[in-house]
Amino acid sequence: GENVEQHPSTLSVQEGDSAVIKCTYSDSASNYFPWYKQELGKRPQLIIDIRSNVGEKKDQRIAVTLNKTAKHFSLHITETQPEDSAVYFCAASHRFQKLVFGTGTRLLVSP
Amino acid sequence: EAQVTQNPRYLITVTGKKLTVTCSQNMNHEYMSWYRQDPGLGLRQIYYSMNVEVTDKGDVPEGYKVSRKEKRNFPLILESPSPNQTSLYFCASSSIAGTGGPNNEQFFGPGTRLTVL
Repeated sequence: GENVEQHPSTLSVQEGDSAVIKCTYSDSASNYFPWYKQELGKRPQLIIDIRSNVGEKKDQRIAVTLNKTAKHFSLHITETQPEDSAVYFCAASHRFQKLVFGTGTRLLVSP
Repeated sequence: EAQVTQNPRYLITVTGKKLTVTCSQNMNHEYMSWYRQDPGLGLRQIYYSMNVEVTDKGDVPEGYKVSRKEKRNFPLILESPSPNQTSLYFCASSSIAGTGGPNNEQFFGPGTRLTVL
């Protein structure tokens, strides 16, 4: 079945720096790649997603890129702020019904 | 307000004592799913449902049961809980419009923290 690997597991940056989180997936049939943000003690919430017919998508300070050939996708956060501190999960839609998550990246943005 | 609710939010129980965690959504979503979250393992799918009376196993279904008798409700049942089921559980729902299935934003409930002694 689908396997999603996510790196790094922790990431510390200074406020204003950029942060990049990378994920690889195994099933070339996967066609939907969302990113969820989970603040401490809260539920995961979608921040951005991309479908396999698109190579890049941007929403203000966050962007996601997808390389279907290499089967990897990345989350880019520019001008990081302390409120960006959270755990970020990537995911890939393995089949019509299933969404497989990565193991998460804990991002810490220091003032 | 559009939301997914779960009850209870916290539960401490003992091995073997049957329990049910309820999940309800008011967004008329067809797709509902249960995940467990464990440190270092991310979110793993337990069961999902594409619509009423349609359910299927996720990646870690052992020890769990579900039912989908109504569109809004998707309870998770632990017939004989064991300590390895101690975890944080999330219910989620999404519309299957467009590309379908979970390929739309999933809305998560607030989570249920379960401890099995």
